[in-house]
Order: sequence, then structure tokens, then C-alpha cells
Amino acid sequence: EPEVTQTPSHQVTQMGQEVILRCVPISNHLYFYWYRQILGQKVEFLVSFYNNEISEKSEIFDDQFSVERPDGSNFTLKIRSTKLEDSAMYFCASSVRRDRVAFFGQGTRLTVV
Amino acid sequence: AQKVTQAQTEISVVEKEDVTLDCVYETRDTTYYLFWYKQPPSGELVFLIRRNSFDEQNEISGRYSWNFQKSTSSFNFTITASQVVDSAVYFCALRSFNDMRFGAGTRLTVKP
Repeated sequence: EPEVTQTPSHQVTQMGQEVILRCVPISNHLYFYWYRQILGQKVEFLVSFYNNEISEKSEIFDDQFSVERPDGSNFTLKIRSTKLEDSAMYFCASSVRRDRVAFFGQGTRLTVV
Repeated sequence: AQKVTQAQTEISVVEKEDVTLDCVYETRDTTYYLFWYKQPPSGELVFLIRRNSFDEQNEISGRYSWNFQKSTSSFNFTITASQVVDSAVYFCALRSFNDMRFGAGTRLTVKP
């Protein structure tokens, strides 16, 4: 069964460092998303991406964040200069159309020390 | 603005009890989609159901059932004869256009 895959499953980084979280969406999906979940809290929308551009982003998605689809399969989230409060689980999701089910990856746990 | 409210932060039941998780949403859009996701202790998000705003038919899938009522902007989720494996955080989510908002989640603990 097709699934969204995310790597790495856990990343530890020092404050101020750049991190890139990687996602491989389901192959025929056209819409891609990043969400984050601070430990024990709600899942928060970061950004949606369609046709090689950002279609929607939340107030959380500031200039420290960027997304890219560098090739036909990967979808990445970059955090330029990590802060302690960026520690969270980051989920990638994809869907065939915007009104279809979003399937989630298993998440990358980012720990900023 | 869109909003999803799950007023129950934690629920604890004993195995075989029925339990209903509440979800109330707000949106100005006429076309929208509602979802329930399960997050087990392992952390991943597992899709359970999607409903669109034009389909108010209730749905049953095994021990799970969903009650969508547009008049009260609610999309409640019932687990019948709960099992220990149902222990998880359950998120209700609302999607319209390109925005998807999650509720705060309800932590369900099913005790043997």
C-alpha cells in the first residue's frame, strides 16, 4: 500500500543550525503539506504546496521556514536557524486533490538542543 | 476563521464501554471536509474517516460510527465496545480550500 515516508525519524540539532526534513509523498498525489506537533499539543498546519509553489501558509511559517520539491519525488522542509521552540514532531502529508484524504507520514521528531 | 473544538481533553473508560468523542467546528465555507485521525502512542497519524459538507449520512465501520450534524456543526465519533487498543489521542480536523485545521485532540484511555 502506498505511503508517505519521512526521513529521518528523529533528528537532534544544535540551536542555530539548519535542518532539512525530507518527505516522499505518495507518487500520484499533487498536494503536499507540512504540519508540526509540539509534544502533547495539537497538530498545527504549517504550509501547503501545489504546482511547485506554496498555496497556503500559517502564521507559524515565517522566514525561517522554506519548502521545496527539488525533484519529482521529494518534498522538503528547511528550517534555517533552529530555535529551541522548533522542537516538535513534523508531519508531512499528501493528497491526490485538495478535497481528498490527506495521508500522513510517520513524522520526524526534531529535537533542538 | 476556521476552528475545531474538541472540548474533551481526556476520557477514561473501562473496556467494553461505549465512548463518544465530540467535535464542533466553525467555518464560513459552504464546501468543507471533516476528518478524524487517530494518534496511537507510537505517534503517527492514522486516517479514520472523511466526510464532506454535503453528505450528512452517518457512517458505521465496525465498532466505529460517526454522527455528522450540520445544524449543530458537529461531527462526533463513537467507539462501541471499546478495547484497550483504542487507547490513543483522537483528532478531529476541518479542511476547506487549502487550509486544514486540527482540534486539540482527545486522549482516550481504555482500561482493561
